Amino acid sequence: DTGVSQDPRHKITKRGQNVTFRCDPISEHNRLYWYRQTLGQGPEFLTYFQNEAQLEKSRLLSDRFSAERPKGSFSTLEIQRTEQGDSAMYLCASSLGWGDEQYFGPGTRLTVT
Amino acid sequence: AQSVTQLGSHVSVSEGALVLLRCNYSSSVPPYLFWYVQYPNQGLQLLLKYTSAATLVKGINGFEAEFKKSETSFHLTKPSAHMSDAAEYFCAVTRGQAGTALIFGKGTTLSVSS
Repeated sequence: DTGVSQDPRHKITKRGQNVTFRCDPISEHNRLYWYRQTLGQGPEFLTYFQNEAQLEKSRLLSDRFSAERPKGSFSTLEIQRTEQGDSAMYLCASSLGWGDEQYFGPGTRLTVT
Repeated sequence: AQSVTQLGSHVSVSEGALVLLRCNYSSSVPPYLFWYVQYPNQGLQLLLKYTSAATLVKGINGFEAEFKKSETSFHLTKPSAHMSDAAEYFCAVTRGQAGTALIFGKGTTLSVSS
């Protein structure tokens, strides 16, 4: 078991460009979560999946953000028309199921210039 | 609605001293509470969790936390700080039932001096 992995670890993009991040959860974990963490703050919830179904989205997840989890395995988070305010660490976590703790990946640090 | 308040954004202790990181929560349902640690440029690692069993919870690396319903607190302690404990610590509560999104506090940075 290699834990939750995220790719890329760092991404620098220009304002207006689209970016996509990938998260590979711990195998057999049914739940997958996305969080965003800005400097000096705790992580903020964005969305989560139960298998391939997206069960909840935060109001932080504007129309420019979309997340998918095809086949209930890895997940992608896409940000369209990036803005400087999108600069943050994007964290992915997974859990086995209801009531289980979430295991976090190392995060993808996005810098929008 | 659930929320978490971490008192003190920065705590400094000497090596060997007691570590006390404070967390107060607000929850309309019986809460599930967690403490996570984050080292620079890394993800979050679970230290311990409270899920309505024993009120005194023991975690990894010698940390423990006590759930006090009357005080709505879940403070994190360690009897003797080590240099390797220097990191950022986050308290979190689940929103609604366990297994749903975590709501995090703003974090407390722990510094340990020799």
